[in-house]
Amino acid sequence: QVQLAESGGDVVQPGRSLRLSCAASGFAFSTYAMFWVRQAPGKGLEWVAGISYNGRSDYYGDSVKGRFTVSRDNSRNTLFLQMHSLRLEDTAMYYCARPPRPYDILTGYLVNWGLGTLVTVTS
Amino acid sequence: EIVMTQSPAALSVSPGERATLSCRASQHVSSNLAWYQQKPGQAPRLLISGASTRATDIPARFSGSGSGTEFTLTISSLQSEDFAIYYCQQYADRPPKYTFGQGTKLEMK
Repeated sequence: QVQLAESGGDVVQPGRSLRLSCAASGFAFSTYAMFWVRQAPGKGLEWVAGISYNGRSDYYGDSVKGRFTVSRDNSRNTLFLQMHSLRLEDTAMYYCARPPRPYDILTGYLVNWGLGTLVTVTS
Repeated sequence: EIVMTQSPAALSVSPGERATLSCRASQHVSSNLAWYQQKPGQAPRLLISGASTRATDIPARFSGSGSGTEFTLTISSLQSEDFAIYYCQQYADRPPKYTFGQGTKLEMK
């Protein structure tokens, strides 16, 4: 079955960088767009970024645009989120998630979710 | 950016009763609207897509309606396992920026 496993979360200081990974299995990863969603402690869900199945197109939420970069390695079935210039408000659980259909980034609801990895930004 | 607004922020309902949750979009999103359920310590779970289509294995007591800018999630007869936080999400924005509402916490009365 579909499995998504995030990793890379850590405690970091403001201004530092961090890279998250999401290992995918149980489906043809290279054919699906993928997304990152985050959730600050006790807060709601925030859409962070999305990437097309072939990595040629990427999209970002307003609060992370210019600081975060989403990428993928289809040979390793892995999604990444490179985060730079981290701020206190980036503290959150970060989830990777998969939409319902291959090759389609425009049908952006999320069927499968990982368990998340926690990023804490603190001085 | 399309802003999604959910109401109420919290809703207290007794088991067996009906719960009605609302979601409003700041722009027309057609039927590109999903609902999710999240329980403490868990990832969100998809309930509804296309504003009204139940996801796999979602009980029939969950129903979605609406289009354009106004949407509703109805839980017809609340079970104990339904007390959770519910989020709506639009996926109409182009280029993609698929925003969520702030959530409605459904509490047991």
